[in-house]
Amino acid sequence: TQLLEQSPQFLSIQEGENLTVYCNSSSVFSSLQWYRQEPGEGPVLLVTVVTGGEVKKLKRLTFQFGDARKDSSLHITAAQPGDTGLYLCAGAEVSNTGNQFYFGTGTSLTVIP
Amino acid sequence: NAGVTQTPKFQVLKTGQSMTLQCAQDMNHNSMYWYRQDPGMGLRLIYYSASEGTTDKGEVPNGYNVSRLNKREFSLRLESAAPSQTSVYFCATARGASYEQYFGPGTRLTVT
Repeated sequence: TQLLEQSPQFLSIQEGENLTVYCNSSSVFSSLQWYRQEPGEGPVLLVTVVTGGEVKKLKRLTFQFGDARKDSSLHITAAQPGDTGLYLCAGAEVSNTGNQFYFGTGTSLTVIP
Repeated sequence: NAGVTQTPKFQVLKTGQSMTLQCAQDMNHNSMYWYRQDPGMGLRLIYYSASEGTTDKGEVPNGYNVSRLNKREFSLRLESAAPSQTSVYFCATARGASYEQYFGPGTRLTVT
């Protein structure tokens, strides 16, 4: 069962353009994380959002957590070739025994110089 | 300070063979995870260990077993490999619930 759906799955844009990636679910998560993965490497954390409605900015990247804590978006302003990679969202479900993270299907971004 | 290390980096198995993927961390984290990554499927959790001495099933545990040997090490075993287990396997660690995860470089496994 895939709890988190990301869209679009693939995105190819010109340098300098803006873009938004969406992460949607019918489940409520205690927190949501965004990761970026480069070919041949493991994912690296970009941000964690915890509170419904929370907005976090990381230079040209803006992350938003939905009010109901079921969805999130990542907006990149003036994309650069260095932004190329696979972007993954992950929702944390906390249980008595620990926690499980459910990852989205991923958005593969290519920024063309 | 190596962070999270995984061995081996590449492996080719024949159907029915067994093997153990090793993961070690020097971050003093409590929680450790095993994921598999397949094209178009994102990362799927196989097993996790919230703390030393405990393990729990994730989304796709069938065909795998794990051992949390101590706080540093968490191994994943395939008893009888199948072609459907061809994938990239990632180990990750975290301080605890809802904390950021740190990933190893991955093991690329092919089962023929």
